[in-house]
Amino acid sequence: QQQVRQSPQSLTVWEGETAILNCSYEDSTFNYFPWYQQFPGEGPALLISIRSVSDKKEDGRFTIFFNKREKKLSLHITDSQPGDSATYFCAASKDYGNEKITFGAGTKLTIKP
Amino acid sequence: EAAVTQSPRNKVTVTGGNVTLSCRQTNSHNYMYWYRQDTGHGLRLIHYSYGAGNLQIGDVPDGYKATRTTQEDFFLLLELASPSQTSLYFCASSETENTLYFGAGTRLSVL
Repeated sequence: QQQVRQSPQSLTVWEGETAILNCSYEDSTFNYFPWYQQFPGEGPALLISIRSVSDKKEDGRFTIFFNKREKKLSLHITDSQPGDSATYFCAASKDYGNEKITFGAGTKLTIKP
Repeated sequence: EAAVTQSPRNKVTVTGGNVTLSCRQTNSHNYMYWYRQDTGHGLRLIHYSYGAGNLQIGDVPDGYKATRTTQEDFFLLLELASPSQTSLYFCASSETENTLYFGAGTRLSVL
């Protein structure tokens, strides 16, 4: 059973639009949710993260919306740029202090100019 | 910024072969991890370590051994490689902030 689920598997949006990537999880004890961004040929890198005490986290054009009751979160990328084309992984862990992190299967995002 | 170096970058072996993947981090992080990445599965944790001599079992450990010889070096061993172990392997390190720093990956093909 996959603990962290992402949808859609792939997403294409036009430059300037808002891309919305979805994530849900099973374990209600998860309390830390990082998103990782991966470009082809590279390892993933931390993009933005949120803890379960918050319902929103912004960093420039990237915003996480978090719904603890429904065990869902989403990553919104506003004013999408071709350079945002990458695979995005939603992840979750139980403790802030470095318990193992569980990753979703990823969403491949393509931004068309 | 954390530096994690994996070698080799590409490896081809035959079924039943013996393979060692290497990882070195130069930021004095205590935690190191081995993940495999497969389409449709994302990143799955194989083994991880809290420090030299320590080893923890991850979520998909079957067919893999690992050894942490120093704080810097973490090795993944496939002693009898099988085609199901064809994958992209990532090493990562972290401190307590839960931010993983990944290497560039090793692509392994088992024929």
